[in-house]
Amino acid sequence: AQSVTQLGSHVSVSEGALVLLRCNYSSSVPPYLFWYVQYPNQGLQLLLKYTSAATLVKGINGFEAEFKKSETSFHLTKPSAHMSDAAEYFCAVSPGPYGQNFVFGPGTRLSVLP
Amino acid sequence: KAGVTQTPRYLIKTRGQQVTLSCSPISGHRSVSWYQQTPGQGLQFLFEYFSETQRNKGNFPGRFSGRQFSNSRSEMNVSTLELGDSALYLCASSAGPGGSSYEQYFGPGTRLTVT
Repeated sequence: AQSVTQLGSHVSVSEGALVLLRCNYSSSVPPYLFWYVQYPNQGLQLLLKYTSAATLVKGINGFEAEFKKSETSFHLTKPSAHMSDAAEYFCAVSPGPYGQNFVFGPGTRLSVLP
Repeated sequence: KAGVTQTPRYLIKTRGQQVTLSCSPISGHRSVSWYQQTPGQGLQFLFEYFSETQRNKGNFPGRFSGRQFSNSRSEMNVSTLELGDSALYLCASSAGPGGSSYEQYFGPGTRLTVT
């Protein structure tokens, strides 16, 4: 069975600082991995996805993630945080390449301090 | 192109009642998936419909059911509501079925409160 863990339910960074949100997965087959963002009172928006084409994946809003098979990780990073990045971030794993039947991680709430 | 719409956005029901939630996918999309989001359990997959057929189902009791119409609109029904059914219910649409080359687009959700 596939599962996803996200270390840190709440992460705070200062504006302009590096954002690092951690995601580790377990999967019996090569996984497809996704990061989604959820702003208050909204649905989920896809940030980026890994489908085995390249280990470093670039997404929207300056985010990127690196797939590390040896560490079973898919951490999300952004070099410089903006106030508008404050939201909840979800890592997900799927048995299919395009995100159907996700298993979501518990989420990490990102706060950006002025 | 209009996004995924869900109605109603907010709903308050009493324990024991039933409820029906509606989802209109993006025009041209034929797949609709439903998820339940709660603080305790996080995001959990309920079921997926493609071309009016349920393709996949999550680990939820039979009180949770759904259907999809010929215009791809989908409804989700929960019978005999329990307090634990209070959640944000999210609908997502995509142009193809599970495992195909299409991304999911999420609606804003319906917030259901059971008292």
